[in-house]
Amino acid sequence: AQSVTQLDSQVPVFEEAPVELRCNYSSSVSVYLFWYVQYPNQGLQLLLKYLSGSTLVKGINGFEAEFNKSQTSFHLRKPSVHISDTAEYFCAVSLSGGSNYKLTFGKGTLLTVNP
Amino acid sequence: DAGITQSPRYKITETGRQVTLMCHQTWSHSYMFWYRQDLGHGLRLIYYSAAADITDKGEVPDGYVVSRSKTENFPLTLESATRSQTSVYFCASRYSTGYTFGSGTRLTVV
Repeated sequence: AQSVTQLDSQVPVFEEAPVELRCNYSSSVSVYLFWYVQYPNQGLQLLLKYLSGSTLVKGINGFEAEFNKSQTSFHLRKPSVHISDTAEYFCAVSLSGGSNYKLTFGKGTLLTVNP
Repeated sequence: DAGITQSPRYKITETGRQVTLMCHQTWSHSYMFWYRQDLGHGLRLIYYSAAADITDKGEVPDGYVVSRSKTENFPLTLESATRSQTSVYFCASRYSTGYTFGSGTRLTVV
């Protein structure tokens, strides 16, 4: 079965600083990878996803992530954060083939952007 | 608008009562899922369904029952609610290249 580890539960940064939210996954077969964002008291919004092809994936709001198969990682980055990026971020994985389509989440990383 | 509709958005119930959370999709996605979100645990899978009349347990199924008589509906029932089931519940469906989520139901068991 697949699993996801988000290495930091909280990441505080100052406005306009770069940020990296780390995500490692475990799976013996090929996977799809996702990053979701959840603003306070709201639902989940898809930031970006990796299905195949280019390992650098660009998403909404200036975020990007890089799929690294050898390190089984899918870290999320933004070169300059804004106060409005304060939210919880979830990394998730599903298998890319077969009939097991469960989406497994990490425990989340709370990004707090300070002025 | 097309999408996933969850109802109710908020629910307060008493310990021991039965409560059903509703989930409706306007597409015909085969796969549907129920997750619960708790601080420090992220989202954990309760049950999922591959098609009408096909359901299976996820990571935390105890105390929950699901049914899927129609493709578009996937209700989640708490047979006898406990305080530990206080949580935010999300329904989701899978399309060809991803997943879409409902807005969630915040359930409080008192």
